[in-house]
Amino acid sequence: DARVTQTPRHKVTEMGQEVTMRCQPILGHNTVFWYRQTMMQGLELLAYFRNRAPLDDSGMPKDRFSAEMPDATLATLKIQPSEPRDSAVYFCASGFVAGIYGYTFGSGTRLTVV
Amino acid sequence: KQEVTQIPAALSVPEGENLVLNCSFTDSAIYNLQWFRQDPGKGLTSLLLIQSSQREQTSGRLNASLDKSSGRSTLYIAASQPGDSATYLCAVPFIAGGTSYGKLTFGQGTILTVHP
Repeated sequence: DARVTQTPRHKVTEMGQEVTMRCQPILGHNTVFWYRQTMMQGLELLAYFRNRAPLDDSGMPKDRFSAEMPDATLATLKIQPSEPRDSAVYFCASGFVAGIYGYTFGSGTRLTVV
Repeated sequence: KQEVTQIPAALSVPEGENLVLNCSFTDSAIYNLQWFRQDPGKGLTSLLLIQSSQREQTSGRLNASLDKSSGRSTLYIAASQPGDSATYLCAVPFIAGGTSYGKLTFGQGTILTVHP
């Protein structure tokens, strides 16, 4: 089965450090999301790309978060500087043509900022 | 703005029971609806995708139905097993025009516990 690959699976870092999370979408998928999940807020959309272009990043704290797709096989989410409130699980998902065939999620990156 | 609601928030049943999870959405202009399962500490696994032209989809003991006009979907689990214990989420893509097209809106989920 094709899968969305996220690295790292777990990350523990100190407050103020830069964190980079990576996602390899399924080959051929042109739509990529980044979501954040916490117990309190549930799933929050951070960024949304189609054909590598960012369409919606209104859910992302712009002062510290940035999301890019340097090529069709890689999406990155960067936090600089990280804060304890950023501790969460970050999911990447990909789909084809705005999800007409549904979306596939990665296993997530569990981030802990101490 | 699309809003998705799932009822009940939590459900605890003995093994072997048939059960129904409910999902409702406020904007019926959707092109599909997807049900996911999430185990504790894990990612989201797609269970069923129903296109707007379909009434239902089946996979093993799972059956999902969709009634677009009333803004509702149900996930039916037959002969529940302890291994079915997980959080079940439904999601619909945003259909209005513009840059939000295709963006997923999730319900808060139903936490299912099946007791042996």
